[in-house]
Amino acid sequence: AQSVAQPEDQVNVAEGNPLTVKCTYSVSGNPYLFWYVQYPNRGLQFLLKYITGDNLVKGSYGFEAEFNKSQTSFHLKKPSALVSDSALYFCAVRDAGGSYIPTFGRGTSLIVHP
Amino acid sequence: KAGVTQTPRYLIKTRGQQVTLSCSPISGHRSVSWYQQTPGQGLQFLFEYFSETQRNKGNFPGRFSGRQFSNSRSEMNVSTLELGDSALYLCASSQLGQSTDTQYFGPGTRLTVL
Repeated sequence: AQSVAQPEDQVNVAEGNPLTVKCTYSVSGNPYLFWYVQYPNRGLQFLLKYITGDNLVKGSYGFEAEFNKSQTSFHLKKPSALVSDSALYFCAVRDAGGSYIPTFGRGTSLIVHP
Repeated sequence: KAGVTQTPRYLIKTRGQQVTLSCSPISGHRSVSWYQQTPGQGLQFLFEYFSETQRNKGNFPGRFSGRQFSNSRSEMNVSTLELGDSALYLCASSQLGQSTDTQYFGPGTRLTVL
C-alpha cells in the first residue's frame, strides 16, 4: 500500500523568508513523487515531480523539492516566499510497481504574510 | 495546447436529482481521472478511464458512474443526489496513463446539493 503524509495543516512564513512544506511517504517499491498547488476555487496545478535521478528537483515558480530516500521525504522549498505563494499545497505519491492512481496528502495551507 | 476544461463550473441541484459533469482532456491525452474534493475528506479518487475503458475505480457507491468517448472526453454522472455529494469535482488527464506521467487538472465543477 502507498501513503503520504503532510504533517502540517498550515505553514506561516513572512514574505522574503525561505519556506518549506513537508511531505513524507510510504511505498513498497520505488516512489514517484509529485507536488501540486491549488488556489481558491481552482484545480490543482502541477509544480514538479521526482521520478529518478538527481535528488533535487526544480519546478515552476521558483519551487524545488529534495528527495530523501533514507528519510522517505520529499519536502517542497522556495528560497524567498511571495504573498502570491499563499495557497493549498498537495503532495502525491505512486509506487513504481503499483497502481497508476496516486495517493494525495491532505494538503498544507501556506500563508505568506506581507 | 489548451488545458483540461470542465463544464459546467458551478451547479446547484436538489436532493434526489441527477447530474452530469463533463471533462475535455488535453489534446492527445488518453487517460482521464475523476476526483471528489471536500474539506473533510480531501481528494478522493472516483474512477479512471483509459481508451474508453474504466481501468481503475475508487470506493464510491454505484450512484457515481462515468464514461469516456472515442475522442477521450469524459463524463461523470451522479444519480439520486445526496447532501453529502456537495463537493468540488476535479478531472485530470495524462498522456499515456503511466505511473511516471503527470496528471493535469481542470478547474473543477463546484456541485452544491440543497
